[in-house]
Amino acid sequence: QQQVRQSSQSLTVWEGETAILNCSYENSAFDYFPWYQQFPGEGPALLIAIRSVSDKKEDGRFTIFFNKREKNLSLHIKDSQPGDSATYFCAAKMNYNQGKLIFGQGTKLSIKP
Amino acid sequence: DTTVKQNPRYKLARVGKPVNLICSQTMNHDTMYWYQKKPNQAPKLLLFYYDKILNREADTFEKFQSSRPNNSFCSLYIGSAGLEYSAMYLCASSRRDRGTEVFFGKGTRLTVV
Repeated sequence: QQQVRQSSQSLTVWEGETAILNCSYENSAFDYFPWYQQFPGEGPALLIAIRSVSDKKEDGRFTIFFNKREKNLSLHIKDSQPGDSATYFCAAKMNYNQGKLIFGQGTKLSIKP
Repeated sequence: DTTVKQNPRYKLARVGKPVNLICSQTMNHDTMYWYQKKPNQAPKLLLFYYDKILNREADTFEKFQSSRPNNSFCSLYIGSAGLEYSAMYLCASSRRDRGTEVFFGKGTRLTVV
């Protein structure tokens, strides 16, 4: 049972475009949704996160849009750059400060120069 | 220092032999996790320690053991490796009273032959 799903295994966009990575979840009790970024040879690192009380979270070029009713969220990467090429994991947690992270399978993003 | 260290980075094991993976962190985190990651699959939580209390996931209960001799170290032990154990193993840590971020190591790639 896949509780967190990412709609694309891979995504390619041109440099300067906005990359949109989609994620959906099943459990309405999930309260906290981080996105992790992973470069080859490295561990996943927290990029940006949102709690279910918000519908948008912005940090520089990265924005999360969250739809609680539809149980989905998306990560938008504005003005994408070759250095953004990485695997992005959507994750979910029931309690924002404790408990386990449930991950999606990841989306490998490639930015073409 | 916000690093989680894993040793070794690569491990080759024979079917039926035991495997021991090591993880350490110096952030004084109270919680340490082990995830298993296979290609094109989501990272799957195997178990986690909150302080000295071990929590194992129901579907991997019999397959993995762990110990945490002190706050900084945590091991993952496989008593008899099978081919299906070939995967990337990610160690992570967090602290309940310091917010939500979970820090990941670079992983140990285990190949069972």
